[in-house]
Amino acid sequence: GNSVTQMEGPVTLSEEAFLTINCTYTATGYPSLFWYVQYPGEGLQLLLKATKADDKGSNKGFEATYRKETTSFHLEKGSVQVSDSAVYFCALTKAAGNKLTFGGGTRVLVKP
Amino acid sequence: GAGVSQSPSNKVTEKGKDVELRCDPISGHTALYWYRQRLGQGLEFLIYFQGNSAPDKSGLPSDRFSAERTGESVSTLTIQRTQQEDSAVYLCASSFRGFMDSEAFFGQGTRLTVV
Repeated sequence: GNSVTQMEGPVTLSEEAFLTINCTYTATGYPSLFWYVQYPGEGLQLLLKATKADDKGSNKGFEATYRKETTSFHLEKGSVQVSDSAVYFCALTKAAGNKLTFGGGTRVLVKP
Repeated sequence: GAGVSQSPSNKVTEKGKDVELRCDPISGHTALYWYRQRLGQGLEFLIYFQGNSAPDKSGLPSDRFSAERTGESVSTLTIQRTQQEDSAVYLCASSFRGFMDSEAFFGQGTRLTVV
Protein backbone atom coordinates (compact mmCIF):
# COMPACT_ATOMS: atom_id res chain seq x y z
CA GLY A 1 0.00 0.00 0.00
CA ASN A 2 0.88 3.67 -0.02
CA SER A 3 3.08 5.09 2.71
CA VAL A 4 4.95 8.27 3.58
CA THR A 5 8.06 8.51 5.74
CA GLN A 6 9.38 11.80 7.04
CA MET A 7 12.14 12.71 9.42
CA GLU A 8 11.30 12.70 13.08
CA GLY A 9 11.48 15.89 15.05
CA PRO A 10 11.66 18.04 16.83
CA VAL A 11 13.86 20.16 14.66
CA THR A 12 15.16 23.21 16.49
CA LEU A 13 16.64 26.07 14.50
CA SER A 14 17.68 29.65 14.95
CA GLU A 15 15.98 32.38 12.97
CA GLU A 16 17.34 32.80 9.41
CA ALA A 17 18.71 29.24 9.38
CA PHE A 18 18.12 26.87 6.45
CA LEU A 19 15.41 24.27 6.96
CA THR A 20 15.13 20.87 5.28
CA ILE A 21 12.54 18.25 6.18
CA ASN A 22 13.04 14.96 4.37
CA CYS A 23 10.07 13.06 2.97
CA THR A 24 10.06 9.84 0.99
CA TYR A 25 7.09 7.86 -0.23
CA THR A 26 6.06 4.43 -1.41
CA ALA A 27 3.31 4.25 -3.99
CA THR A 28 2.63 2.71 -7.35
CA GLY A 29 2.17 4.96 -10.32
CA TYR A 30 2.17 8.71 -10.02
CA PRO A 31 0.72 10.08 -6.81
CA SER A 32 0.19 13.75 -6.08
CA LEU A 33 2.36 15.00 -3.23
CA PHE A 34 1.58 17.58 -0.56
CA TRP A 35 2.98 19.37 2.42
CA TYR A 36 0.52 20.40 5.10
CA VAL A 37 1.35 22.62 8.07
CA GLN A 38 -0.28 22.86 11.48
CA TYR A 39 0.45 26.06 13.38
CA PRO A 40 -0.12 26.05 17.16
CA GLY A 41 -3.82 26.07 17.95
CA GLU A 42 -4.89 25.83 14.32
CA GLY A 43 -6.08 23.14 11.93
CA LEU A 44 -3.92 21.59 9.23
CA GLN A 45 -3.63 23.71 6.12
CA LEU A 46 -2.17 23.07 2.73
CA LEU A 47 1.30 24.55 2.31
CA LEU A 48 2.19 23.38 -1.19
CA LYS A 49 1.69 20.56 -3.62
CA ALA A 50 3.08 18.94 -6.78
CA THR A 51 1.12 16.70 -9.07
CA LYS A 52 3.74 15.24 -11.42
CA ALA A 53 7.41 14.36 -11.55
CA ASP A 54 9.86 17.28 -11.51
CA ASP A 55 7.12 19.73 -10.50
CA LYS A 56 8.16 22.20 -7.82
CA GLY A 57 5.59 23.39 -5.31
CA SER A 58 6.24 26.66 -3.54
CA ASN A 59 4.51 28.90 -1.03
CA LYS A 60 5.53 31.33 1.75
CA GLY A 61 9.22 30.82 0.89
CA PHE A 62 8.96 27.04 1.16
CA GLU A 63 9.76 24.77 -1.78
CA ALA A 64 9.58 21.06 -2.53
CA THR A 65 10.41 19.21 -5.75
CA TYR A 66 8.70 15.97 -6.80
CA ARG A 67 11.56 13.53 -7.44
CA LYS A 68 10.25 10.33 -8.99
CA GLU A 69 13.70 8.73 -9.25
CA THR A 70 14.29 9.00 -5.50
CA THR A 71 10.57 8.92 -4.51
CA SER A 72 11.14 12.04 -2.45
CA PHE A 73 9.49 15.38 -1.79
CA HIS A 74 11.80 17.19 0.61
CA LEU A 75 10.64 20.52 2.05
CA GLU A 76 13.10 23.42 2.15
CA LYS A 77 13.17 27.03 3.24
CA GLY A 78 16.20 29.23 2.95
CA SER A 79 15.65 31.51 5.95
CA VAL A 80 13.17 30.51 8.63
CA GLN A 81 11.31 32.83 10.95
CA VAL A 82 9.88 32.29 14.42
CA SER A 83 6.43 32.25 12.80
CA ASP A 84 7.40 29.08 10.89
CA SER A 85 7.30 27.11 14.14
CA ALA A 86 4.73 24.41 13.45
CA VAL A 87 4.23 20.73 12.69
CA TYR A 88 4.78 19.83 9.04
CA PHE A 89 3.15 16.81 7.39
CA CYS A 90 4.10 15.24 4.10
CA ALA A 91 1.26 13.46 2.31
CA LEU A 92 0.29 11.78 -0.94
CA THR A 93 -2.89 10.90 -2.74
CA LYS A 94 -3.80 8.92 -5.79
CA ALA A 95 -6.87 9.11 -7.94
CA ALA A 96 -8.16 5.77 -6.74
CA GLY A 97 -9.78 6.28 -3.38
CA ASN A 98 -9.09 10.00 -3.17
CA LYS A 99 -7.54 9.61 0.30
CA LEU A 100 -4.57 11.46 1.71
CA THR A 101 -1.86 9.24 3.21
CA PHE A 102 0.18 11.19 5.75
CA GLY A 103 3.63 10.91 7.22
CA GLY A 104 4.10 11.12 10.97
CA GLY A 105 4.72 14.86 11.06
CA THR A 106 7.82 16.85 11.96
CA ARG A 107 7.71 19.49 14.66
CA VAL A 108 9.84 22.54 13.88
CA LEU A 109 10.78 25.09 16.51
CA VAL A 110 12.46 28.31 15.42
CA LYS A 111 14.12 30.32 18.16
CA PRO A 112 14.81 34.05 17.94
CA GLY B 1 -18.81 29.56 9.26
CA ALA B 2 -15.58 30.31 7.49
CA GLY B 3 -13.88 27.02 8.21
CA VAL B 4 -14.43 23.43 9.28
CA SER B 5 -15.83 23.34 12.78
CA GLN B 6 -15.53 20.38 15.12
CA SER B 7 -17.14 19.82 18.49
CA PRO B 8 -16.42 19.23 21.23
CA SER B 9 -12.81 20.39 21.18
CA ASN B 10 -12.01 18.13 24.11
CA LYS B 11 -13.80 15.07 25.44
CA VAL B 12 -12.91 12.92 28.42
CA THR B 13 -14.96 9.76 28.76
CA GLU B 14 -14.93 6.61 30.81
CA LYS B 15 -13.99 3.32 29.23
CA GLY B 16 -17.06 1.55 27.90
CA LYS B 17 -19.10 4.71 27.25
CA ASP B 18 -20.24 5.82 23.81
CA VAL B 19 -19.11 9.15 22.36
CA GLU B 20 -20.29 11.23 19.43
CA LEU B 21 -18.05 13.68 17.61
CA ARG B 22 -19.41 16.32 15.28
CA CYS B 23 -18.03 17.97 12.16
CA ASP B 24 -19.50 20.98 10.35
CA PRO B 25 -17.85 21.20 6.92
CA ILE B 26 -17.46 24.29 4.81
CA SER B 27 -20.69 25.02 2.98
CA GLY B 28 -20.73 23.60 -0.54
CA HIS B 29 -17.98 21.06 0.07
CA THR B 30 -19.07 17.68 -1.22
CA ALA B 31 -16.17 15.67 0.22
CA LEU B 32 -15.73 15.04 3.94
CA TYR B 33 -13.06 12.97 5.65
CA TRP B 34 -12.39 11.75 9.16
CA TYR B 35 -8.86 11.05 10.34
CA ARG B 36 -7.39 9.98 13.67
CA GLN B 37 -4.05 11.01 15.11
CA ARG B 38 -2.72 9.05 18.04
CA LEU B 39 0.00 10.60 20.15
CA GLY B 40 3.30 10.64 18.31
CA GLN B 41 1.86 9.06 15.17
CA GLY B 42 0.73 10.22 11.76
CA LEU B 43 -2.80 10.81 10.61
CA GLU B 44 -4.79 7.62 10.08
CA PHE B 45 -7.63 7.64 7.55
CA LEU B 46 -10.99 6.53 8.93
CA ILE B 47 -13.82 7.30 6.48
CA TYR B 48 -14.60 9.38 3.38
CA PHE B 49 -17.95 10.79 2.21
CA GLN B 50 -18.42 12.13 -1.31
CA GLY B 51 -21.79 13.66 -2.01
CA ASN B 52 -24.54 11.06 -2.01
CA SER B 53 -22.23 8.17 -2.93
CA ALA B 54 -21.69 5.25 -0.58
CA PRO B 55 -18.97 6.23 1.91
CA ASP B 56 -15.52 4.65 1.88
CA LYS B 57 -15.38 3.03 5.31
CA SER B 58 -12.18 1.10 4.70
CA GLY B 59 -10.25 2.90 7.45
CA LEU B 60 -12.63 2.29 10.34
CA PRO B 61 -10.65 0.19 12.83
CA SER B 62 -13.54 -1.85 14.23
CA ASP B 63 -17.33 -2.16 14.20
CA ARG B 64 -17.42 0.06 17.28
CA PHE B 65 -16.77 2.97 14.93
CA SER B 66 -19.44 4.41 12.66
CA ALA B 67 -20.07 7.69 10.91
CA GLU B 68 -22.97 9.35 9.19
CA ARG B 69 -23.46 12.30 6.93
CA THR B 70 -26.70 13.49 5.44
CA GLY B 71 -26.16 15.01 2.02
CA GLU B 72 -23.47 17.66 2.15
CA SER B 73 -24.08 18.72 5.72
CA VAL B 74 -22.91 17.82 9.20
CA SER B 75 -21.18 14.54 9.91
CA THR B 76 -21.05 12.63 13.18
CA LEU B 77 -18.49 10.03 14.15
CA THR B 78 -19.68 7.64 16.83
CA ILE B 79 -17.47 5.39 18.91
CA GLN B 80 -19.30 2.77 20.94
CA ARG B 81 -17.95 1.10 24.07
CA THR B 82 -14.81 3.26 24.03
CA GLN B 83 -11.44 1.71 24.83
CA GLN B 84 -8.26 3.39 26.02
CA GLU B 85 -6.63 2.82 22.63
CA ASP B 86 -9.33 5.07 21.13
CA SER B 87 -7.66 8.06 22.82
CA ALA B 88 -6.51 10.34 20.01
CA VAL B 89 -7.23 13.58 18.20
CA TYR B 90 -10.01 13.07 15.67
CA LEU B 91 -9.73 15.37 12.68
CA CYS B 92 -12.35 16.23 10.10
CA ALA B 93 -11.59 17.73 6.69
CA SER B 94 -13.75 18.88 3.82
CA SER B 95 -13.02 19.83 0.23
CA PHE B 96 -15.00 21.05 -2.75
CA ARG B 97 -14.27 17.76 -4.44
CA GLY B 98 -11.76 15.08 -3.41
CA PHE B 99 -8.17 15.63 -2.35
CA MET B 100 -6.91 15.05 -5.88
CA ASP B 101 -8.87 17.95 -7.29
CA SER B 102 -9.26 20.57 -4.61
CA GLU B 103 -7.68 21.74 -1.40
CA ALA B 104 -8.72 20.08 1.82
CA PHE B 105 -9.56 22.20 4.85
CA PHE B 106 -9.15 20.69 8.28
CA GLY B 107 -10.88 21.43 11.54
CA GLN B 108 -8.93 21.83 14.76
CA GLY B 109 -9.92 18.39 15.90
CA THR B 110 -11.53 16.76 18.90
CA ARG B 111 -9.12 15.48 21.52
CA LEU B 112 -10.65 12.31 22.96
CA THR B 113 -9.29 10.87 26.19
CA VAL B 114 -10.64 7.55 27.42
CA VAL B 115 -9.95 6.92 31.10
